[in-house]
Amino acid sequence: EDQVTQSPEALRLQEGESSSLNCSYTVSGLRGLFWYRQDPGKGPEFLFTLYSAGEEKEKERLKATLTKKESFLHITAPKPEDSATYLCAVWNSGYSTLTFGKGTMLLVSP
Amino acid sequence: NAGVTQTPKFQVLKTGQSMTLQCAQDMNHNSMYWYRQDPGMGLRLIYYSASEGTTDKGEVPNGYNVSRLNKREFSLRLESAAPSQTSVYFCASRKETGGGGYTFGSGTRLTVV
Repeated sequence: EDQVTQSPEALRLQEGESSSLNCSYTVSGLRGLFWYRQDPGKGPEFLFTLYSAGEEKEKERLKATLTKKESFLHITAPKPEDSATYLCAVWNSGYSTLTFGKGTMLLVSP
Repeated sequence: NAGVTQTPKFQVLKTGQSMTLQCAQDMNHNSMYWYRQDPGMGLRLIYYSASEGTTDKGEVPNGYNVSRLNKREFSLRLESAAPSQTSVYFCASRKETGGGGYTFGSGTRLTVV
């Protein structure tokens, strides 16, 4: 059974204070790992797809990396508008569905 | 493009009542999904449809039925609502070819009293 564990559950940062969110996974055949951002009262919004260990993707202050056991979402000099819940999901090569982690709630204070 | 549209956005039901949640996508995606999201539980898959004419159970299908009406529309039905079905329901679609991620709707917040 695929498992996705995100840590920490919640993270509070000061504006400009860089940090990383972790997504560790157990999957028999990883076909892809996805990061989503979810704002309160809204649906998850797609951020990145990573397909193989060593791959990196960047978007503004966010950078996602992937190893064979985990992925990190690095947030550089965050701003209050980066406050959201960040979800990680894995795609198993044997299935057409994604398995999601429970998310990390990020709060960035001015 | 509208993307994925869900209706209604909010609904309150009494125990035992039935209702259908509607979902439509305009991106010509093959696969469609229904998830529920509960505090501390994350997103859990209820049912999915890999292509028009097919549906499959996910992790938590009990108490629900689905219909893939055509390529655009995928509905979720609660035949006899229970308080345990109080949740936020998200519909999503996916192109499948190329392995892209899901596109989610904005959700339906359902309360069963």
